[in-house]
Amino acid sequence: EAQVTQNPRYLITVTGKKLTVTCSQNMNHEYMSWYRQDPGLGLRQIYYSMNVEVTDKGDVPEGYKVSRKEKRNFPLILESPSPNQTSLYFCASSRIAVGALNTEAFFGQGTRLTVV
Amino acid sequence: AQSVTQLDSQVPVFEEAPVELRCNYSSSVSVYLFWYVQYPNQGLQLLLKYLSGSTLVESINGFEAEFNKSQTSFHLRKPSVHISDTAEYFCAVSDRDLAGGYNKLIFGAGTRLAVHP
Repeated sequence: EAQVTQNPRYLITVTGKKLTVTCSQNMNHEYMSWYRQDPGLGLRQIYYSMNVEVTDKGDVPEGYKVSRKEKRNFPLILESPSPNQTSLYFCASSRIAVGALNTEAFFGQGTRLTVV
Repeated sequence: AQSVTQLDSQVPVFEEAPVELRCNYSSSVSVYLFWYVQYPNQGLQLLLKYLSGSTLVESINGFEAEFNKSQTSFHLRKPSVHISDTAEYFCAVSDRDLAGGYNKLIFGAGTRLAVHP
């Protein structure tokens, strides 16, 4: 089954404690991205990756890091989480660039992060 | 940069009634437009998309959306809703990065559709 898998689904952590949210896709997609979803703001792109070892900032990259060492994995790293990073996070993948012609983005089920 | 406005944050409606979820985007240049649906506790799923050609696009579950270039709108409609349509709906538009590639989707804030019996 084609899917994007995020872990964990729920996470409560304390300010400053480094954490990683994993994302894996089994569709051999080149493009992957991370979004955060906040009430009244919709989804905002954090980082994206066009292919292995190629990553770029999205609209709200501050406080986040990513890596793309393998095609299937795209972890999101919060080196020093703060309460304003409390949010619902989604990983997405697509065959090519997410906004390009005839491309569908596949989303994971989300990770609800609370930073206290 | 593009922006997307979904005019209604919540739309309550009775089962079998028609519904329209409104979406306006900021630019009249060539864009690709999408509607995604998010069921409770799930990720987003593509509902339908407009890339080119016919301005009316349809999904397999009875939704349709019409691209109106002059009004920069892409409203989503369904003539008769079901309880199972209860979800949050996001309108999205493609946007270019600095290098000119379509590398991002700009999402609206979402419209929560609540279908009541």
